[in-house]
Amino acid sequence: QTVVTQEPSLTVSPGGTVTLTCDSNTGAVTSGNYPIWFQQRPGQAPRELIYRTSDRHAWTPARFSGSLLGGKAALTLSGVQPEDEADYYCLLYCGDLWVFGGGTKLTVL
Amino acid sequence: QVQLQESGPGLVEPSGTLSLTCAVSGGSISTYAWWSWVRQPPGKGLEWIGEISNSGITKYAPALQSRVTISLDKSKNQFSLNLSSMTAADTAIYYCAKVLSNFQGFPNWGQGTLVSVSS
Repeated sequence: QTVVTQEPSLTVSPGGTVTLTCDSNTGAVTSGNYPIWFQQRPGQAPRELIYRTSDRHAWTPARFSGSLLGGKAALTLSGVQPEDEADYYCLLYCGDLWVFGGGTKLTVL
Repeated sequence: QVQLQESGPGLVEPSGTLSLTCAVSGGSISTYAWWSWVRQPPGKGLEWIGEISNSGITKYAPALQSRVTISLDKSKNQFSLNLSSMTAADTAIYYCAKVLSNFQGFPNWGQGTLVSVSS
């Protein structure tokens, strides 16, 4: 069974840059896992930011970018804003099913 | 813009069956590729439950496969989740979501509905 792992928590200063990663216990994450990234603020439904590794939606701020990095999916936030403080989840397509990572709590401090 | 709204009981007895419906408005359920259910226990992470295609093909998370059924009702423009043998571990916010074809993501979600399992 696939287990997807993310950093439990990260802290970044306003204006800084931070990279969140998403790893799979079955091997390197590739474009064939079609990585997706969600942002979730308290009390809200998840909001998709990135799909197919690096594609943004119209509502996704340009400071969010997705990539593959060292066998993992990655979400990089450049020029972090206070409103970016939230939980971030990755979602991978593994063996015809979807599997969420455990989530990263991002603190902007 | 497609909107989704979950509905169902907020409380289910242990060993009972949960039945939730996701009403789709602003577009036909037949137009989009897949429709999914996701849940989130209080204070915990997201869990993909399963999905159904607009032609009725279903996929389920292995951990829930023996207890879950997802179905589609095109006449009512809605899809449903049934989860049997409920326990306290199934207490969660349940979300429905639209899934686009060609892995273009899960762009639209319902607001979620909290389901508690208790006698």
